[in-house]
Amino acid sequence: QQKVQQSPESLTVSEGAMASLNCTFSDRSSDNFRWYRQHSGKGLEVLVSIFSDGEKEEGSFTAHLNRASLHVFLHIREPQPSDSALYLCAVSDTGGLSGKLTFGEGTQVTVIS
Amino acid sequence: GGIITQTPKFLIGQEGQKLTLKCQQNFNHDTMYWYRQDSGKGLRLIYYSITENDLQKGDLSEGYDASREKKSSFSLTVTSAQKNEMAVFLCASSPGTGGGFSYEQYFGPGTRLTVL
Repeated sequence: QQKVQQSPESLTVSEGAMASLNCTFSDRSSDNFRWYRQHSGKGLEVLVSIFSDGEKEEGSFTAHLNRASLHVFLHIREPQPSDSALYLCAVSDTGGLSGKLTFGEGTQVTVIS
Repeated sequence: GGIITQTPKFLIGQEGQKLTLKCQQNFNHDTMYWYRQDSGKGLRLIYYSITENDLQKGDLSEGYDASREKKSSFSLTVTSAQKNEMAVFLCASSPGTGGGFSYEQYFGPGTRLTVL
């Protein structure tokens, strides 16, 4: 069964400094990876979806996938206080029938001025 | 664009009570999902439905029932609320499932459950 783990559990960064989040997964056949952001009391907002090894950039968010090492990273460039939120990594297998996402437990990011 | 609406936004129940949460989407998506999120944690899949009247169990289906009455709506029932339970229930929808392509899931704002 797929296991997804995120680190660190919480992260405080200064406004404008790069923030880096880590997600590890257990199933090498996984081929679909997403990063979501969730502001307190709100629903999930998809930030980046990545399907092949390498990097994918969406605005100030860059995902980096390395399936050999079972890692997918999220880098937040020049974070603002409005980027303070829970960041969730989700992994799925497109060969499956459910479209089921397996989520990590999240990294709570706080951006300070 | 479209929107997912979840009702109620807040739900307070008593131990042993049966509680129903509702979700509506106007994306015209085929697939709908119910997830549970415990405080500050990731999401776990309870039920999903790939079309009207279809139901599939997720990892956390015990203690829950679901109903896909029509394409646009998906209901979740907590069959017997547990004392001191607190969680957020998130509904999501997507155009389809699997088949070599993973469709984006769009999430509603959630229903916050508290059991006294």
